[in-house]
Amino acid sequence: DSGVTQTPKHLITATGQRVTLRCSPRSGDLSVYWYQQSLDQGLQFLIQYYNGEERAKGNILERFSAQQFPDLHSELNLSSLELGDSALYFCASSVVLEENTEAFFGQGTRLTVV
Amino acid sequence: AQSVSQHNHHVILSEAASLELGCNYSYGGTVNLFWYVQYPGQHLQLLLKYFSGDPLVKGIKGFEAEFIKSKFSFNLRKPSVQWSDTAEYFCAVNLQSGGSYIPTFGRGTSLIVHP
Repeated sequence: DSGVTQTPKHLITATGQRVTLRCSPRSGDLSVYWYQQSLDQGLQFLIQYYNGEERAKGNILERFSAQQFPDLHSELNLSSLELGDSALYFCASSVVLEENTEAFFGQGTRLTVV
Repeated sequence: AQSVSQHNHHVILSEAASLELGCNYSYGGTVNLFWYVQYPGQHLQLLLKYFSGDPLVKGIKGFEAEFIKSKFSFNLRKPSVQWSDTAEYFCAVNLQSGGSYIPTFGRGTSLIVHP
């Protein structure tokens, strides 16, 4: 158990809909990262929050947004869903923002858009 | 720009065979390299990491990796694999982005070990 909790584990929804994925980081970790994993793209970094503030953006679509709350949990919002958004979405957390920092991952949310 | 690349996308071995998975890096700055493993249905977890010092790094579950600066490589090795090593393996680097560092992954190598 990594200490990072993601809910739900599975989500099936229709095209055009909006979903929210939730992540609780390890106790004491201030940094949260979101990733999308698909067969053809591998693990793609989406966005990072540190202590409630957005710190870095990756290949995140405009239809996607995220936030980190005062209790440090984070939510990833995916809207106007398309079939191509079907993927595994991972959250990771770390204590600080140093280059030798290890990231701890949750088990992911498998999103299926039908 | 790709910062770490893994050339073996699928590897199939029999138990007791030796394993070497390739990872090459192509970025400047201070070296920091990681290998993560993702067992079926589980989260990614750290196998080992290298920042400085002895270029031969030992990790969990009998894995090791060697940093070779002249070859820009950080290959993962295990002398004798087990069926339980079946998993996806990711080479990674923490890339600087503004004032932050982002774990950035290679495409991954799927390892299947036959009993």
